Amino acid sequence: NAGVMQNPRHLVRRRGQEARLRCSPMKGHSHVYWYRQLPEEGLKFMVYLQKENIIDESGMPKERFSAEFPKEGPSILRIQQVVRGDSAAYFCASSPSPGQAPTDTQYFGPGTRLTVL
Amino acid sequence: RKEVEQDPGPFNVPEGATVAFNCTYSNSASQSFFWYRQDCRKEPKLLMSVYSSGNEDGRFTAQLNRASQYISLLIRDSKLSDSATYLCVFDSGNTGKLIFGQGTTLQVKP
Repeated sequence: NAGVMQNPRHLVRRRGQEARLRCSPMKGHSHVYWYRQLPEEGLKFMVYLQKENIIDESGMPKERFSAEFPKEGPSILRIQQVVRGDSAAYFCASSPSPGQAPTDTQYFGPGTRLTVL
Repeated sequence: RKEVEQDPGPFNVPEGATVAFNCTYSNSASQSFFWYRQDCRKEPKLLMSVYSSGNEDGRFTAQLNRASQYISLLIRDSKLSDSATYLCVFDSGNTGKLIFGQGTTLQVKP
């Protein structure tokens, strides 16, 4: 049973370009979470999605960031017009259950390290 | 009060030592608590869940004190391979999002 998969593992973009990060949850999991870890900081929640639905986007920056989890295919985190401050590790996690408390274990992917030049 | 507070360390201990980490949280609605481990900024991996009654997994013991709103992790007989950053994690109380502490760095030396 493959774990959570993320690609690319490393992504380099110049300021103003777009970044697309992909996440395939574990088999049987239909709930996806995105977290960001800035250098020397802890992980911060960004967004929680189920298939075709955004459940909680309270951690998403108001501009330039969007996320989707279509019926078919991986979840996508999209960052438009990247700036140097977007440089970070972006982790995706998945869980099998609706994410209600008590919270089921979230399994993390290896992350995508975004570097903005 | 901060959402979560965790001593960043580093904790430098010799092999075989016992070391304890604490973490305080402010959201009284949180119901699920975890300790995750992160190596060299790789992905976090679940170390153990934390239950009200306290729980043990080999050399690791976790405790939850709801009244004082803190959780703790005790590592006995430290191994070199225990060197990592230990993340205090809990749920937000409504959706499934997790709140992470900044992490406590442990360095076990021979």
